[in-house]
Amino acid sequence: QVQLVQSGSELKKPGASVKVSCKASGYTLTSYPLNWVRQAPGQGLEWMGWINTNSGNPTYAQAFTGRFVFSLDTSVSTAYLQITSLKAEDTAVYYCARDANDYGDSYFDYWGQGTLVTVSS
Amino acid sequence: SYVLTQPPSVAVAPGETARISCGGSNIGDKSVHWYQQRPGQAPVLVISYDRDRPSGIPERFSGSNSGNTATLTISRVEAGDEADYYCQVWDSSSEHPVFGGGSKLTVL
Repeated sequence: QVQLVQSGSELKKPGASVKVSCKASGYTLTSYPLNWVRQAPGQGLEWMGWINTNSGNPTYAQAFTGRFVFSLDTSVSTAYLQITSLKAEDTAVYYCARDANDYGDSYFDYWGQGTLVTVSS
Repeated sequence: SYVLTQPPSVAVAPGETARISCGGSNIGDKSVHWYQQRPGQAPVLVISYDRDRPSGIPERFSGSNSGNTATLTISRVEAGDEADYYCQVWDSSSEHPVFGGGSKLTVL
């Protein structure tokens, strides 16, 4: 069965970096685009962007340019989200989500369990 | 960019029918997808393409979409349906997916 398994919770200090992993199983990672979604405490879902799992080309939502990097290691079927220069407002749960389509008109048929990133001094 | 508007909260008694709306300009021309997020859990797709139920989703969940409003309907509501529900569309102008703000369903 399709699964996306994310790395565990992280506690980081402001200015540090964090790398969240998302390991795909039950399907071939390169067959579907992979998206990242943020959920701040008590807030709704916010789309961060997606990575083309064939080319490795990332696309970022406007609010997530500069400090956010999507990457892949297809040899281990894993996608990554790296956030640099962490700020307190980056505190959130980060989800990876498989895109059911590869031609736009995105929606998300499988989600990782989420990774809580807490930024605090 | 495209804006989706959901009521912050909906409350129904067990066994009744819950209707959660998702408003957007001419949303009837778009495909709407719905997600359920139980407390402390990841979202789960419950309706795709306005009215299609993924495998494993009970028939009690249904969807409709017309004009400026899409609706998720949950029949014979159970305590386990208590969750946040999000609608989502693809915004072709920005080429981005867009989520509604979410609606908290409370089972009284």
